[in-house]
Amino acid sequence: EAQVTQNPRYLITVTGKKLTVTCSQNMNHEYMSWYRQDPGLGLRQIYYSMNVEVTDKGDVPEGYKVSRKEKRNFPLILESPSPNQTSLYFCASRDTGLFSPLHFGNGTRLTVT
Amino acid sequence: EDQVTQSPEALRLQEGESSSLNCSYTVSGLRGLFWYRQDPGKGPEFLFTLYSAGEEKEKERLKATLTKKESFLHITAPKPEDSATYLCAVQGNFNKFYFGSGTKLNVKP
Repeated sequence: EAQVTQNPRYLITVTGKKLTVTCSQNMNHEYMSWYRQDPGLGLRQIYYSMNVEVTDKGDVPEGYKVSRKEKRNFPLILESPSPNQTSLYFCASRDTGLFSPLHFGNGTRLTVT
Repeated sequence: EDQVTQSPEALRLQEGESSSLNCSYTVSGLRGLFWYRQDPGKGPEFLFTLYSAGEEKEKERLKATLTKKESFLHITAPKPEDSATYLCAVQGNFNKFYFGSGTKLNVKP
C-alpha cells in the first residue's frame, strides 16, 4: 500500500531534550516536506526537500533541522525543543509532475513541557 | 502577500441540506489548487486538483469548481459520514504550498 509513515504518533518531552520524528514513504517520490498544524493557522511548511541531499527552508524553519540522506526518508530533528513547538506535525511527499498532490502521513502530536 | 482564506470556519448542516465551502486565494504563479479532507487524528486526504479557471471536478456528493480568485466545494445532499474538516491548498512558485485554515463540517442525521 502506498503510504507515508511517521513515527511516533504521540510524543511528550521536556524543554531542551533533543528529539527526532521519522518519516518514510514508499512511493519513490523525490519531493518531501514537513508541516506543522496549529489551530487557526492552518498547515505551515517547515522544510522541504526536492531530492536526496537537497533541502530548503519553508515558512517556519526556526528551531528545526532536517536531513535527506535517502530518497525514502526525511527525518525532522528538534535539537532543543521549546514549548512553542508543541503542535501537530505532518510529513508529506509528492511526485514532481505538474499538479501532483501532496500525500500526507497520519501525523505526530508533539507536546513540549 | 500569498495567502489562502477559507470560509466559513465551521458549518453545521442537516443530512440532505446542500451547501458550499469557499476558498479564496492571492497566490502568485498559481500551479494548482487542491482540496483535502481531514478526519480527526488523521492526515489530510487528497480529494481534487483544479488547474484552470472554469474547471470542475466531481466525486460522489462533492463537486469542486475554480475561478481566477476562488474555489468552491459544493456538497450535495450530505450524509453524516461527510463530517470532517475540508482544507484548501494552493501551489505557487518554487514548489511552495499555501494552506487555508479549513472548514469544519458537521452533518447531523
